Amino acid sequence: AQRVTQPEKLLSVFKGAPVELKCNYSYSGSPELFWYVQYSRQRLQLLLRHISRESIKGFTADLNKGETSFHLKKPFAQEEDSAMYYCALGTGGSYIPTFGRGTSLIVHP
Amino acid sequence: KAGVTQTPRYLIKTRGQQVTLSCSPISGHRSVSWYQQTPGQGLQFLFEYFSETQRNKGNFPGRFSGRQFSNSRSEMNVSTLELGDSALYLCASSLRGVEHGYTFGSGTRLTVV
Repeated sequence: AQRVTQPEKLLSVFKGAPVELKCNYSYSGSPELFWYVQYSRQRLQLLLRHISRESIKGFTADLNKGETSFHLKKPFAQEEDSAMYYCALGTGGSYIPTFGRGTSLIVHP
Repeated sequence: KAGVTQTPRYLIKTRGQQVTLSCSPISGHRSVSWYQQTPGQGLQFLFEYFSETQRNKGNFPGRFSGRQFSNSRSEMNVSTLELGDSALYLCASSLRGVEHGYTFGSGTRLTVV
């Protein structure tokens, strides 16, 4: 069965510090991985997907198939990055899309 | 362009009743998925519809059902409501499927009393 694990429920950093939100997955096929973000009182929105290899709001994520990880990174955190972050595994066909339990990022001034 | 629209935003129902939630996807999106979000379980996949056909189904009892219309709008129905059905129900649309990334609605907050 496929699974997504976000080991940290809460991550607290100071403004300007580097941030790494961890995501590990288990899936036997070729994964499609995503990060979604939910800011306070806003809807869940797509942040980035591994296949596009883009940097959104300074965040990047690299798929490491050897370690089955897709960690989200940002070199210098900003207060406006405070939000709930979800890692998700989406696959085509008959596989059920799976979200991690989420990590709450708090960036202190 | 208009986002994913879910109605109603809030609902209060009593145990044993049934409820229907509605979702209008982004124009052109043919895939609509439904999720249940609770503090204890996080985001749980309910089902996905594509071109009026259920393509995937999560591990929920048969009381949870859905359908999709020819204009891609989708409805979700929960019959014989239980207290544990209280949750935020999210609809997400995608061009062709989850592998292309979702656009989420704001959700319907269902409270069962």
